[in-house]
Amino acid sequence: GAVVSQHPSWVICKSGTSVKIECRSLDFQATTMFWYRQFPKQSLMLMATSNEGSKATYEQGVEKDKFLINHASLTLSTLTVTSAHPEDSSFYICSAREGFSGRWTDTQYFGPGTRLTVL
Amino acid sequence: AQKITQTQPGMFVQEKEAVTLDCTYDTSDPSYGLFWYKQPSSGEMIFLIYQGSYDQQNATEGRYSLNFQKARKSANLVISASQLGDSAMYFCAMRESDDKIIFGKGTRLHILP
Repeated sequence: GAVVSQHPSWVICKSGTSVKIECRSLDFQATTMFWYRQFPKQSLMLMATSNEGSKATYEQGVEKDKFLINHASLTLSTLTVTSAHPEDSSFYICSAREGFSGRWTDTQYFGPGTRLTVL
Repeated sequence: AQKITQTQPGMFVQEKEAVTLDCTYDTSDPSYGLFWYKQPSSGEMIFLIYQGSYDQQNATEGRYSLNFQKARKSANLVISASQLGDSAMYFCAMRESDDKIIFGKGTRLHILP
């Protein structure tokens, strides 16, 4: 199956700093990528939808100025948490969609996640 | 209103027994897909099984089967002959025509030796 990687797998940073998380599709071109956040013992919450070459679409309640998303190429999307605070500590997961093939079952592939801890 | 409801926050099952994880959903979209994912402690999301809203037969993938009852809007996951390695968090999810995948709150499954 298709592979999606995330880097870094974990990061610890000081409050007030910015952190960039990369999501890469390794063997396919991803026209659309999704970013999720998962707090401990909770479900995945969709943060935003990122389409290559256009602005991301954010879900209600997600601050677009705080969570900057860039999808500059068909294989890379980045999520930058700006001025991170301890409440931003979470598990961030991306998923990538290859393109509309008419089949839903495997059109989204999940990355392994990035664990962010803000001190 | 929640679109995906998983009413079992946790379950304990004896090894080798079958287990059913409940999931109900809510949508007015006639075309949708239902998924089950497994999330072990490592955090990765492992795709298990998929059911399309127009599929006539229940989906099966090895030891996993999906009990799809469209009129009741339920999509329960059945794991046959459970194994210790099945211990994990399980999420039911739905994708509608807007392409977004919405997850339920999950069920933590513990398999007992």
